[in-house]
Amino acid sequence: AQKVTQAQTEISVVEKEDVTLDCVYETRDTTYYLFWYKQPPSGELVFLIRRNSFDEQNEISGRYSWNFQKSTSSFNFTITASQVVDSAVYFCALSEAPRGGYQKVTFGIGTKLQVIP
Amino acid sequence: DAGVTQSPTHLIKTRGQHVTLRCSPISGHKSVSWYQQVLGQGPQFIFQYYEKEERGRGNFPDRFSARQFPNYSSELNVNALLLGDSALYLCASSLARGLQSGANVLTFGAGSRLTVL
Repeated sequence: AQKVTQAQTEISVVEKEDVTLDCVYETRDTTYYLFWYKQPPSGELVFLIRRNSFDEQNEISGRYSWNFQKSTSSFNFTITASQVVDSAVYFCALSEAPRGGYQKVTFGIGTKLQVIP
Repeated sequence: DAGVTQSPTHLIKTRGQHVTLRCSPISGHKSVSWYQQVLGQGPQFIFQYYEKEERGRGNFPDRFSARQFPNYSSELNVNALLLGDSALYLCASSLARGLQSGANVLTFGAGSRLTVL
């Protein structure tokens, strides 16, 4: 069974600080996909990044960066120079190669990030 | 272009009643998935539909059912409502199923918030 653990339930940082959100996953498959989504107070989950299990390259997109390490089954997310608009709940998610042709995405519990001005 | 739209946005029901939630996917997306998000938790997979057929089902009782229409819109039905059914119900659409469907990025709607009294 697949499992995603986000040990940090809430984090508060002062604006312009860097912050890292941790994600650890469990899966028996060799082919799988990892995602990060952002959920602002409006409720709509917003896609941030997808990474497949064969691509361990780190990625940087503006102030966002992701560190994928298969050896530790981790897919951590760092926000550099945080801003108030980054305040939201962030979800890490795991999607395995489909069985029976359907996609089931397993989400972590989420990390609520509060950026204080 | 319109994103995933869901209706109603909020509703209040009493125990034992029935509820129908509706979802219109992004144009061109043939797959619709439903997720339940209880307050303080991550979304949990309920169903995936593709080409009007149920392709996958999560660990939810038979009180939960859904269907997909020829225009790819979908309805989620919940019978005999319980207090524990109070949650945000999220609909997500994606392009396709198939061997690579585990890689599909889910695009979520803003959800329907159900309160059961």
